[in-house]
Amino acid sequence: DAGVIQSPRHEVTEMGQEVTLRCKPISGHNSLFWYRQTMMRGLELLIYFNNNVPIDDSGMPEDRFSAKMPNASFSTLKIQPSEPRDSAVYFCASRPLDGTEAFFGQGTRLTVV
Amino acid sequence: EDQVTQSPEALRLQEGESSSLNCSYTVSGLRGLFWYRQDPGKGPEFLFTLYSAGEEKEKERLKATLTKKESFLHITAPKPEDSATYLCAVQSGGSYIPTFGRGTSLIVHP
Repeated sequence: DAGVIQSPRHEVTEMGQEVTLRCKPISGHNSLFWYRQTMMRGLELLIYFNNNVPIDDSGMPEDRFSAKMPNASFSTLKIQPSEPRDSAVYFCASRPLDGTEAFFGQGTRLTVV
Repeated sequence: EDQVTQSPEALRLQEGESSSLNCSYTVSGLRGLFWYRQDPGKGPEFLFTLYSAGEEKEKERLKATLTKKESFLHITAPKPEDSATYLCAVQSGGSYIPTFGRGTSLIVHP
């Protein structure tokens, strides 16, 4: 398996623009997580899906952030409008039904100028 | 609320100089404690899962141990390629979400 695949790897955008990050989880995994990593705050959970259903979105900063999982093989994280403070590395991770450990993608480095 | 504290924040070792990284945790019913390795510009790479106090796991020069309050990642005779940030995470029985510590940045000098 190719592992968790995220795209793009790098994104530079201007403040106010819409940004969409994409994730393809490992085939057969039924849990999906979106995390954000910064030097100041480390790895923070944004949202957790189980069987394509959002279970916990308490980490989503505000209404500017939204996430979807239309099927078991694809998820998106959208920021609209983007702000400089959204600059961070965003990770997607997936976990199998009978597992406890999550497997991470390579991340998307977002820079909002 | 699950809490994870890792120490030290940064550690510099000479090649061959063994040491340990600490992960202290507070959780309501431990479902699993995880260790990950993260290289610059990459995603966290899974290393170990520990489930109960007294459990130990090894992989090459790394050995992870677990008590009821903390976990240690022992690095024996490290090499420069062991340089990375090591992350600890916990998951409680009532939650399906891993909570991460801030990590320990390890540099091994040749």
